[in-house]
Amino acid sequence: DAKTTQPPSMDCAEGRAANLPCNHSTISGNEYVYWYRQIHSQGPQYIIHGLKNNETNEMASLIITEDRKSSTLILPHATLRDTAVYYCIVRVPNQGGSEKLVFGKGTKLTVNP
Amino acid sequence: DTAVSQTPKYLVTQMGNDKSIKCEQNLGHDTMYWYKQDSKKFLKIMFSYNNKELIINETVPNRFSPKSPDKAHLNLHINSLELGDSAVYFCASTFWTGNYGYTFGSGTRLTVV
Repeated sequence: DAKTTQPPSMDCAEGRAANLPCNHSTISGNEYVYWYRQIHSQGPQYIIHGLKNNETNEMASLIITEDRKSSTLILPHATLRDTAVYYCIVRVPNQGGSEKLVFGKGTKLTVNP
Repeated sequence: DTAVSQTPKYLVTQMGNDKSIKCEQNLGHDTMYWYKQDSKKFLKIMFSYNNKELIINETVPNRFSPKSPDKAHLNLHINSLELGDSAVYFCASTFWTGNYGYTFGSGTRLTVV
């Protein structure tokens, strides 16, 4: 079901920027890209979402390519607490007008001291 | 203040038993979900409710019966528990309209022995 492709794992040094890529080449014009993360079996945590423009909040930045076929989540100064599985999700419509989040395998980010 | 709370946090039970998991949110959201995360860590949607109305019903055995007494509560009752039901069950909530992120609970770890 998932329409995104992410590397299974990445490493990052503490204090450096973590850049997590995601491919979503079949994304439709009205579909948003969402990023969530899951820290060691806790509930998934919403990070950021976007449609076309780049977005930034207190947690991260989201860079979406002009053709919208890929995006990058940037954690500007990664800390050990950012070690988690990061999910890139394209929000798909479902029956009755509802939309659902379909989770893929995600990227396991390990931040090293 | 817990935004999405699930009870119990852990549940160990024998095959064949019937059990319930409860979820409550105090965010004023009108849409709630149940997700299942199995041992391989895949997160799969099971059900969603909007204002007490069932919206999404994925391919889930009919031993699983969700109930939403009001828009702030979504419970999951499971009959005749099987070993394969062992998983972590997450509740989530959001607003029906707009592109808001989901807020997840901390999960209920169900172990069937």
